[in-house]
Amino acid sequence: DGGITQSPKYLFRKEGQNVTLSCEQNLNHDAMYWYRQDPGQGLRLIYYSQIVNDFQKGDIAEGYSVSREKKESFPLTVTSAQKNPTAFYLCASSYVAVNQPQHFGDGTRLSIL
Amino acid sequence: EDQVTQSPEALRLQEGESSSLNCSYTVSGLRGLFWYRQDPGKGPEFLFTLYSAGEEKEKERLKATLTKKESFLHITAPKPEDSATYLCAVQGKNYGGSQGNLIFGKGTKLSVKP
Repeated sequence: DGGITQSPKYLFRKEGQNVTLSCEQNLNHDAMYWYRQDPGQGLRLIYYSQIVNDFQKGDIAEGYSVSREKKESFPLTVTSAQKNPTAFYLCASSYVAVNQPQHFGDGTRLSIL
Repeated sequence: EDQVTQSPEALRLQEGESSSLNCSYTVSGLRGLFWYRQDPGKGPEFLFTLYSAGEEKEKERLKATLTKKESFLHITAPKPEDSATYLCAVQGKNYGGSQGNLIFGKGTKLSVKP
């Protein structure tokens, strides 16, 4: 079945450590996105990519980095510069055409040790 | 500034008690309004896309409608399995310079008791 796979489901970060969240899709979508979800807040866009080897900052990109070396994969690194990384991270993908819905993975919950 | 506001924040219904969730939006040139369902610990699941005022979409007990300022998600005779958080998102013409970016509301948490 086609879908978006995020791993791991739970992740713990130590002080000063970088961690990488994985996102893979087999929906043949060109666009991929990373969101952060905090309690009581709407989803906030971290980074997005519409084509391989290109990506753009979203609203809250500071302290995060991404790469897009393959169409199917869009990993997110939470760096030590991100001072408040505890959140639920969601990856999504879509066709690039206007009005196309985004489809989401089941998220990674990141906590601080 | 583009904005999405959902109300109420939480809604408790008895099984079979129909109601509506509201999504009010302010956006520069609406390209699409999207409804999602999110279960605890899961990612949002796509439900509907609405493109223009007057449009309606239905799926089982859910019906989504759209006006120029707001959208409603009507739930008819809900069941306990309809309990979830329902998210609304809009896509405007100019947001972020990208065709894909969405602005999300904070969601309505629906609880349906048997």
